[in-house]
Order: sequence, then C-alpha cells, then structure tokens
Amino acid sequence: DAGITQSPRHKVTETGTPVTLRCHQTENHRYMYWYRQDPGHGLRLIHYSYGVKDTDKGEVSDGYSVSRSKTEDFLLTLESATSSQTSVYFCAISESSLGQTQYFGPGTRLLVL
Amino acid sequence: ILNVEQSPQSLHVQEGDSTNFTCSFPSSNFYALHWYRWETAKSPEALFVMTLNGDEKKKGRISATLNTKEGYSYLYIKGSQPEDSATYLCASRPQGGSEKLVFGKGTKLTVNP
Repeated sequence: DAGITQSPRHKVTETGTPVTLRCHQTENHRYMYWYRQDPGHGLRLIHYSYGVKDTDKGEVSDGYSVSRSKTEDFLLTLESATSSQTSVYFCAISESSLGQTQYFGPGTRLLVL
Repeated sequence: ILNVEQSPQSLHVQEGDSTNFTCSFPSSNFYALHWYRWETAKSPEALFVMTLNGDEKKKGRISATLNTKEGYSYLYIKGSQPEDSATYLCASRPQGGSEKLVFGKGTKLTVNP
C-alpha cells in the first residue's frame, strides 16, 4: 500500500464548529487531492495541491479550505461545518498528474450533527 | 466539467459468469482513462491507466479496452468470483493542463456464489 494515512478516521461534530482533516504521505509525491464520497455522486474533487503552498479548487470546493505547508501533509478545513458536509472524505496522492495513478488513503468518516 | 458516465449502475451475476461494463467519456480533449476497484469499507484501488486509442490492459481475469475516438472504455471480468464483488470506477483526465480526474459514479458488481 502507498504510505497514506488520514486522521482522524472517524469524527462526529456539531454544526458550526471548525473541523480539520489531515492527510499524511510518506511517498514524497507531488500531487495530493481531497475527495468526498456521497451516495449517488461517486467521488467528487474538493481541492487538490500540485506542490507546497500550491493548491486549486475542485468541483465542490465551497465551504472548504486547504493548506499544504510541507510535501507530506495536506490539510482540509471545514471552517464552519454544516450537515451537508457529512460524508466520507478520501485523500489521494500521485507522483504526477500526467495520466498517473492516484493512490487513495483509508478515508475519514465525518458526521455533522 | 466533463461528464463521465458508467453503465450499468449495478449488476448481479452468478459465480463463473463473465461480465462487462461500460465507461463513456467526452472524446474531445482526452488524455487518460483510469479504472479503479472499490470494495465496501475500503479505499479505491487502481486497476488500469490507459492513454492510447486501442489500448488493452489485463490483470488476471480482469481486462479493459479503450476507444478514444468514440469515447468509451469497457471493463471485462472473466469467470466472476465472489471476491470480485465491488464497485468499479472509471475516471477521465482531460488534456489542457487540468490536473483533475473526473470520476463516474461507478458500477456496483455483486457476484453470487
């Protein structure tokens, strides 16, 4: 398995609270991605990073921010969690974007009450 | 955002049956097509990446073909086994500098013993 960990693996929080999810990789891959997985929608890209301090939005970025201060860590922050952000969040990494396989982390299950 | 469509949405087969499903993507601006296998409660696992028209890839009993001119890929499973039960995702990466994969919603395969 690619060396990708996500923390926490499960979280229950209340509406309006900030939440930060962490993705950590030991592969030194340049690209990192955050997806959310919801029934009927498959995997949808939230944000991605193409290097330290270089990030861009995906298709469902509203309500989320990200930061990447070092190669190995990519943080996803929900500034003020809403119930619509209840989901399973997957981090992925790839060595390059040019047709390269993305390797996925184990996922974080978030419940916003 | 380009549309990646997968069909059927779900499929039930008997052990030993061979099966196939389809991924359709916009043929213009195509760069790469990915297939992933996603078991329940696990993270997606890469199967194939294909870039050239006519590409065929094989991994054990699973194979895939690619037609970039008409915008489709087929995934075949020969002699399905219960352990093949999973959701099979395809994702397209367009040309033009975008570093994002766009995923279909998947085909959920159930193989009955």
